[in-house]
Amino acid sequence: DAGVIQSPRHEVTEMGQEVTLRCKPISGHDYLFWYRQTMMRGLELLIYFNNNVPIDDSGMPEDRFSAKMPNASFSTLKIQPSEPRDSAVYFCASSAPQGGQFFGPGTRLTVL
Amino acid sequence: EDQVTQSPEALRLQEGESSSLNCSYTVSGLRGLFWYRQDPGKGPEFLFTLYSAGEEKEKERLKATLTKKESFLHITAPKPEDSATYLCAVRGSSGDKLTFGTGTRLAVRP
Repeated sequence: DAGVIQSPRHEVTEMGQEVTLRCKPISGHDYLFWYRQTMMRGLELLIYFNNNVPIDDSGMPEDRFSAKMPNASFSTLKIQPSEPRDSAVYFCASSAPQGGQFFGPGTRLTVL
Repeated sequence: EDQVTQSPEALRLQEGESSSLNCSYTVSGLRGLFWYRQDPGKGPEFLFTLYSAGEEKEKERLKATLTKKESFLHITAPKPEDSATYLCAVRGSSGDKLTFGTGTRLAVRP
């Protein structure tokens, strides 16, 4: 298996622009998680899905952030409009029930 | 609310110098304690899951142990390639999400 796939790996954009991050989980995993990692706050859970349904989005910072999972093999995290404080590394992870989470390589986002 | 505290924040070892990393946790109904390794510029890599006090797991030079309040990651005779940040996380009874600690940055000098 190729593992969790994320794209793009790097994204540089200007404040106010829309940003879309993409994730393909490991085939057969029922859970998908979106995290944000910064030096100041560490690894923070933003939202997670079970069987394509959002279960907990309490970590989504504000209405500018949205996430979708239209099918079992694809998810997006969108930021609109983006702000400099959104600059971070965004990780997607997937897991089977009760199993460990397997992380993708991350997307490094820089908002100028 | 689940909480995880890792210590020390940073650790420098000489190659071959064994040591332990600590993960203290507070959780309602532990449903798993997880150890990850993260290299710079990469995503966390899953190492171990522990489910109950007294459980131990080993992988090469790493051994993870679990009590009711904390977990230890023992590193025996480390090598420079063991240098990384080690993250601990717990899953409680409140759901399927993990609560992560802030990690221990390990540097092993040759």
